Order: sequence, then C-alpha cells, then structure tokens
Amino acid sequence: ETGVTQTPRHLVMGMTNKKSLKCEQHLGHNAMYWYKQSAKKPLELMFVYSLEERVENNSVPSRFSPECPNSSHLFLHLHTLQPEDSALYLCASSQAIGYEQYFGPGTRLTVT
Amino acid sequence: AQKITQTQPGMFVQEKEAVTLDCTYDTSDPSYGLFWYKQPSSGEMIFLIYQGSYDQQNATEGRYSLNFQKARKSANLVISASQLGDSAMYFCAMREGRAGYSTLTFGKGTMLLVSP
Repeated sequence: ETGVTQTPRHLVMGMTNKKSLKCEQHLGHNAMYWYKQSAKKPLELMFVYSLEERVENNSVPSRFSPECPNSSHLFLHLHTLQPEDSALYLCASSQAIGYEQYFGPGTRLTVT
Repeated sequence: AQKITQTQPGMFVQEKEAVTLDCTYDTSDPSYGLFWYKQPSSGEMIFLIYQGSYDQQNATEGRYSLNFQKARKSANLVISASQLGDSAMYFCAMREGRAGYSTLTFGKGTMLLVSP
C-alpha cells in the first residue's frame, strides 16, 4: 500500500450505533489530520495530530473521538451521531504541520 | 474576513485551452504558503502545487503553474492545455506563518468542467 488509505470507503450507520473510521499513512509523515466535507461547505478541519499528540481540536462535538496510537495510524470513533453528521470524512498526513498534505480517498458517511 | 477567497463557483473550458482559476488571500504574516488541490468526483484531494511567500519565482509543476502576485495577494492557478481529466473541484489553501506551526485554511473551491 502506498500513500494514505482509509477504511471503510462507505458507511451507513444509525444514530445509536458506534463505529470507527481508520486511516493509515505509508509516507513516513509526522502529522495527521481529520477533515469533514459537507455538501456546499468548505473543508472543515476537525483534529490535528503531530507526533501522536493532539495539537488542534476545532470545537468538534464529543460524539467524534479521535485516536492516534502511532504516527502511521489515525482513528475517528463515532457514537450517537446526528443526520447532519452525514458527510465525506477525509484523512490527511504531512511531513509536519504546515507542509503539503496528502489525502486519503475519504469515507462517505451516511447517518440514518 | 475570509482568509482564502475563490470567487468563481464554476468555470468552463474547452479541451486543449488554458484556464486560470482565481484565488485571493488575506494575511498580515510575512511568512506564508499557498497550496492548490484538485478533488475529482471520486473524493480524494490531490496536491498540485505549492508557492512560498518568499519564493522569487512562480511555482510550476507540469501543466500547472501558479501566478503569484504578492502585492495583490493573489495566487491564481493556471492549467495549460486542459484535458478532460482536469474536470474536478479545485481548492486553494493557505498556511499562515512558517511551516511546522500552523495548519492550512481552505477556500470554498471552484468547479472546473472541461468539454471536448
């Protein structure tokens, strides 16, 4: 595998479910990011990790919980989501914060 | 004020023609970086080109070039010889300050459609 991978690519979940999104980067980068992309809205930065430490959390509801066990892996744990959380969730990595970011293919999430 | 402004919601161009996608930015920091990304309908964001605020020359990467006009605070993307595969959303982004300290802010994007 090369670049940034994300699983699953598509996810449909009910409002009471618990699920996790997984991101893995094979680029040897030190920073990883979660973004949310809703229709007709700008890309929203959710979380930033640098060397496995969270450095930014942009007022994201607690029903989204990130985890970065090592510099290659990033998870987004989801629980009791709302229909407005339906969106494309993109993971990215970069050499360090502020360098060009390389994105995964995204997980298209639908909350029913 | 918006940090990154992309005023063109959509652009149309014929195959093999050149097209310019506009981007203006707002920052008072003398050190910053400007990025362009392409997002096809598949969803993945693809990094295209980077320009640093202190770079003397405009960045170029293959058919992509960045028309950097510092005094006007604009960083337009020029795609030469458009191809059908260039049809996608294009996002301009900025990092304020030096690399290593701040994240990127993205614009709302421009949809480019290339026709045969």
